[in-house]
Amino acid sequence: DTGVSQDPRHKITKRGQNVTFRCDPISEHNRLYWYRQTLGQGPEFLTYFQNEAQLEKSRLLSDRFSAERPKGSFSTLEIQRTEQGDSAMYLCASSSSGRPSFEQFFGPGTRLTVL
Amino acid sequence: KNEVEQSPQNLTAQEGEFITINCSYSVGISALHWLQQHPGGGIVSLFMLSSGKKKHGRLIATINIQEKHSSLHITASHPRDSAVYICAPAGYSGQNFVFGPGTRLSVLP
Repeated sequence: DTGVSQDPRHKITKRGQNVTFRCDPISEHNRLYWYRQTLGQGPEFLTYFQNEAQLEKSRLLSDRFSAERPKGSFSTLEIQRTEQGDSAMYLCASSSSGRPSFEQFFGPGTRLTVL
Repeated sequence: KNEVEQSPQNLTAQEGEFITINCSYSVGISALHWLQQHPGGGIVSLFMLSSGKKKHGRLIATINIQEKHSSLHITASHPRDSAVYICAPAGYSGQNFVFGPGTRLSVLP
């Protein structure tokens, strides 16, 4: 399978717990993006990597959120001290910076529920 | 004013009808995505275009960069086209997409 994969697909946690999500992009893609989507809304940009460098972070990404892409392949998104407002679908996408450029391919998402 | 607006917000059509979804944006862009999201969350890229028109099967996307407007057309609509359609313009460096609110389409048999 050459698509974007995310793990887990669903996560239920109690408020105050830490959670970590993983994204495996399409192997030849050097760009990786994280988005958050709440019910009835379009996705909101959180952060993106080119290779292992985190090049942009949204102000939505509070200090409880951290993302890494240590070897320029898979990425992890960690949320510390989860709050009920963190409940959302977390989407990962990848793209190539080459031409034709920037078309993003999305993973199935991780649905987080904070109780 | 929102950076990206879509119309209509909701659309119900009968099978076989011609569908048009519009997207207007206020930011300067290098390209624009049209995405399809089915219930359950999976997002599929339909088109990435920076000028003119593209066609895939029954889907047609057009963009007018000067007018900052794009349209997605579906010919001979089918119930399996029922989904949320999202437009997402990308800035000049291409990395930061701003997503529209989506248009929820229901095609009735």
